[in-house]
Amino acid sequence: QVDLVESGGGVVQPGGSLRLSCATFGFTFSDYGMHWVRQAPGRGLEWVAFVKYDGTRKYTTDSVQGRFIISRDNSRNTLSLQMNGLTPEDTGLYFCARDMRAVMGLSPYYYMDVWGKGTTVVVSS
Amino acid sequence: SSELTQDPAVSVALGQTVRITCQGDSLRIYYASWYQQRPGQAPLLIVYARNSRPSGIPDRFSGSSSGNTASLTITGAQADDESVYYCSSRDSSSDKWLFGGGTRLTVL
Repeated sequence: QVDLVESGGGVVQPGGSLRLSCATFGFTFSDYGMHWVRQAPGRGLEWVAFVKYDGTRKYTTDSVQGRFIISRDNSRNTLSLQMNGLTPEDTGLYFCARDMRAVMGLSPYYYMDVWGKGTTVVVSS
Repeated sequence: SSELTQDPAVSVALGQTVRITCQGDSLRIYYASWYQQRPGQAPLLIVYARNSRPSGIPDRFSGSSSGNTASLTITGAQADDESVYYCSSRDSSSDKWLFGGGTRLTVL
């Protein structure tokens, strides 16, 4: 059974750091790109970061660029998000999600087919 | 900057049909995917590649796309469909992904 389990969330002071992990089960992790998506309390979903299946490409949303680093360890089937310089605006529930992509005719499509339950990050003094 | 726009809230009478829309320039290039999120739960993929459904998703959920607009249609809405629905796509102008702001569906 395919499953994603996030961990590493907690309460941290502004300017602090946290490292989130996403353990994966039931599929060949090294075949898939992976995402981090977050949700501030009472707000919508916000894409945070993506890493290609082999770790050679990494993308982040502008608001975390230079502060958050996405990485993966294909030998341990684990995705990580190193978060530095945290601000209260980074507070939220952080989900990892599996990337899927294909082409229909000439049109490419992307989606996130499996999600973890999330881990909560609170940035507060 | 690129974005996807959704109506914040929509209501539908029990058993009736409702359409939830998502607009954005990226949808001219990439198909939208749709996610259902119930309170306290992770998002659940319900439609992808314009009108494909993962296994286990009822066929009352369907998707369509035209120009810069993607739509999620629920035919015969059930009380259990009360949720927030998000659209998403790859950003056509950068190496990023986008989510719409979400549409809260109320079933009356």
